[in-house]
Amino acid sequence: QLQLQESGPGLVRPSETLSLTCSVSGGSISSSSYYWGWIRQPPGKGLDWIGTIYYRGFTYYNPSLRSRLNISVDASKNQFSLKLHSVTDADTAVYYCARGRAPVDDWGQGTLVTVSS
Amino acid sequence: QSALTQPASVSGSPGQSITISCTGTSSDVGPYNYVSWYQQPPGKAPKLMIYDVSNRPSGISTRFSGSKSGNTASLTISDLQAEDEADYYCSSFTTSDTVVFGGGTKLTVL
Repeated sequence: QLQLQESGPGLVRPSETLSLTCSVSGGSISSSSYYWGWIRQPPGKGLDWIGTIYYRGFTYYNPSLRSRLNISVDASKNQFSLKLHSVTDADTAVYYCARGRAPVDDWGQGTLVTVSS
Repeated sequence: QSALTQPASVSGSPGQSITISCTGTSSDVGPYNYVSWYQQPPGKAPKLMIYDVSNRPSGISTRFSGSKSGNTASLTISDLQAEDEADYYCSSFTTSDTVVFGGGTKLTVL
C-alpha cells in the first residue's frame, strides 16, 4: 500500500520560500514510470494543480506559478520536494503531495501552510 | 489556464440519480480522454473515483459512472446514498502538458 506524507513548516513569512517534502513509503519513487506532484487547496476553495515531476526528472508546472516554483526528486531518500519562492497571503493553503498526473491516483493527507508575518 | 466549469452545488434524495457536469475547452477536455473525478469529504484528502473519462479504480462502487461529449464531461451517481455527500472535482490533462481542475461541486443528499 503506497503512502505519501508531507512535511515542512506550517508557517512561512511573506516574501520567503515555502519548502515541503513528500516521503513515499510502500513503493520506490524511481522503480516505475510514475509522475509525482503537488496540489494545493486554499481554505474553503477548490483544488489548484501546482506541478508534477516525472521520476526521471522532467518537470511540468502550473504556468501561473512557474516563475516561483521548483519541484525536485531525491531518489536516494525516496522523497520529492516543493519550493515556492516569494510567497504571499494567496499561497496559504493545504498542500497535498500525490502520485500521478492525469489521474492523480494516490494522495497524501495534506499539510496546512499559512503565510503570515 | 482557466479552471474547468462545474456547478457549485447539486442535490438529490436517497435512491435518486444525479449528474455533475464539467465543461472545458478544445485545449483540455475536448482532445483527450484524460478526465478524472475526485470525491472529497469535509476535512479529508480527495479520492480518485473515475479516471480516463469512464474507468473506475478497484473498489469504487458501480454506482459511479463517467462520460464525455465534446468539451463536457459528466459524473453520474446512481442510487444516491447519504455517504456520497461530499465535494466532487473533475480534472483534465491539457495540450500544454499541464493539469487543470474544476471549481468543485458540493453534493447534498437530502
